[in-house]
Amino acid sequence: GENVEQHPSTLSVQEGDSAVIKCTYSDSASNYFPWYKQELGKGPQLIIDIRSNVGEKKDQRIAVTLNKTAKHFSLHITETQPEDSAVYFCAASKANFGNEKLTFGTGTRLTIIP
Amino acid sequence: DAGVIQSPRHEVTEMGQEVTLRCKPISGHDYLFWYRQTMMRGLELLIYFNNNVPIDDSGMPEDRFSAKMPNASFSTLKIQPSEPRDSAVYFCASTQGASSYEQYFGPGTRLTVT
Repeated sequence: GENVEQHPSTLSVQEGDSAVIKCTYSDSASNYFPWYKQELGKGPQLIIDIRSNVGEKKDQRIAVTLNKTAKHFSLHITETQPEDSAVYFCAASKANFGNEKLTFGTGTRLTIIP
Repeated sequence: DAGVIQSPRHEVTEMGQEVTLRCKPISGHDYLFWYRQTMMRGLELLIYFNNNVPIDDSGMPEDRFSAKMPNASFSTLKIQPSEPRDSAVYFCASTQGASSYEQYFGPGTRLTVT
């Protein structure tokens, strides 16, 4: 089955700086890669996703890049703000292949230092 | 929309007791998922339903766990008998149209088994 590895497990950045979280996946058939943000005491919330037919997607201060050859994808947050502090999860799935389960990474705890 | 609703939010029970967790998905969503989150194992998919039918229960840890979805607006996850190692946060999520896209998570039920 799919295996998703995520690094780093913790990340602290100064407010205003950029943060980058990286994930690798094992199944070359995976074609859908979402990122979820989990705030304390809440369920994960989808913040951005990318499909394998594109290499990059951007939404305001958040961007995701995908390298299918190397089987890795990354989340980039620019101009970080205190409200960006949370745990971030990457995930992968073989969308439209029938049994489409999301396999999650182990999470990155991001702390924004004011 | 109220989002995915889970109850109870917190449950403390003694080993050996039966525990029932409840979930109301977002109206119109045809996929429902049960996840378990622990520090050691991260976010694990236990089971998911499509149109009230269980599609994949390969993540259910053992026979002590069972899940039902009697109609489109209600699902239960039951643990009988409960054990201390079942202590975790259990999330319900739902989505529409394709199982891995845009899953909406509930706030979770924090289960403690003493």
